[in-house]
Amino acid sequence: QVQLQQSGPGPVKPSQTLSLTCAISGDSVSSNSAAWNWIRQSPSRGLEWLGRTYYRSQWSNDYAVSVKSRITINPDTSKNQISLQLNSVTLEDTAVYYCAREITINRGVLNPLDSWGQGTLVTVSS
Amino acid sequence: IVLTQSPGTLSLSPGERATLSCRASQSVTSSYLAWYQQKPGQAPRLLIYGASIRATGIPDRFSGGGSGTDFTLTISRLEPEDFAVYYCHQYGSSPRTFGGGTKVEI
Repeated sequence: QVQLQQSGPGPVKPSQTLSLTCAISGDSVSSNSAAWNWIRQSPSRGLEWLGRTYYRSQWSNDYAVSVKSRITINPDTSKNQISLQLNSVTLEDTAVYYCAREITINRGVLNPLDSWGQGTLVTVSS
Repeated sequence: IVLTQSPGTLSLSPGERATLSCRASQSVTSSYLAWYQQKPGQAPRLLIYGASIRATGIPDRFSGGGSGTDFTLTISRLEPEDFAVYYCHQYGSSPRTFGGGTKVEI
């Protein structure tokens, strides 16, 4: 059974970079049958998909338009984990951040998110 | 695609039937609609995908239905552990989006 363990600092100052990692057990970050997503949740914005990384003979990324200029999601095959970096954070980036596995049921399309990390509360404050 | 869930809050008793609604602003491709349950301090848990397919380990009192723009989640007989917030989620079109949630309270 896949397990996702998140880590990273909670408080971040405005204009700085938010950095989180998500360690994967029970599956491989390089799996051809999965993609690895970051989602955040806040009272004002609800659940918001941020982006994903996946391997299909080469690595690919997709990012939400709202954060595309500020976000980087990278796989780390040596540690079997993914990372999230969000630059130039503002108060609006305060949220609980989740990593989640997207299990491939149908190829060539999006698929449901079947396993989630425990969540990390990130507070942007000076 | 914007997902609108109703009602915002559902007040019911254990043993009762719960019916939750999710309406999409445009048709959801191939009924790629999922439902999640979230309890305080926990991550969302996948209940239903493909509009009506129960995820592994989900009890059969949970059922999903609908197509196009209108979907429902039904809990046939509420158990104490079912009181939580439920979210619908469409993954048929990019970007994937989530509804605002329905709270099922005692």
